[in-house]
Amino acid sequence: GQNIDQPTEMTATEGAIVQINCTYQTSGFNGLFWYQQHAGEAPTFLSYNVLDGLEEKGRFSSFLSRSKGYSYLLLKELQMKDSASYLCAAMDSNYQLIWGAGTKLIIKP
Amino acid sequence: GAVVSQHPSRVICKSGTSVKIECRSLDFQATTMFWYRQFPKKSLMLMATSNEGSKATYEQGVEKDKFLINHASLTLSTLTVTSAHPEDSSFYICSARDMAGEVNEQFFGPGTRLTVL
Repeated sequence: GQNIDQPTEMTATEGAIVQINCTYQTSGFNGLFWYQQHAGEAPTFLSYNVLDGLEEKGRFSSFLSRSKGYSYLLLKELQMKDSASYLCAAMDSNYQLIWGAGTKLIIKP
Repeated sequence: GAVVSQHPSRVICKSGTSVKIECRSLDFQATTMFWYRQFPKKSLMLMATSNEGSKATYEQGVEKDKFLINHASLTLSTLTVTSAHPEDSSFYICSARDMAGEVNEQFFGPGTRLTVL
């Protein structure tokens, strides 16, 4: 079956660094997405990885290991506004997104 | 970036009524649009894939007669919740795939919060 696993909740301190992990099992693979979702709002796109390695975009970076079925989202210099849910989604061979349940990130001052 | 709009953003209705939600791609053409629903503190659940000019493909467990989808043009898909009941209350989100972009690009609308009394 197809499955995405990520932690339910994480807590970090403002100004610090946090890494949110995601493991996936899909029928075929066409990339790994990370989305940010604030309460009551739709998801917004953060990153896309299809090749192994690290993609850096400002304070956010995303890593992918296809052989391990593993990705992480790294957030640096955390700000209070980064408090949100972070959704990991893998695209299968039919170009369908398989969604994780999301990781609720709580930032403390 | 590509913009997807949804209307209405919020709707409250009485049990038994039907509600139509529109999803529009504003600056690109979308042959494929997706409809999701999301319960509080849960992930997105794909309801159906909507293809322009053809019938929607529904996920297992989603009643096609209850959730009517019409993808009449390359920029508009509608979801109609027929004879809504309180258990249909949820956050409904659409997304659209840009024909001219990468096949894996998907842009989300802002969502519609449906409350059925």
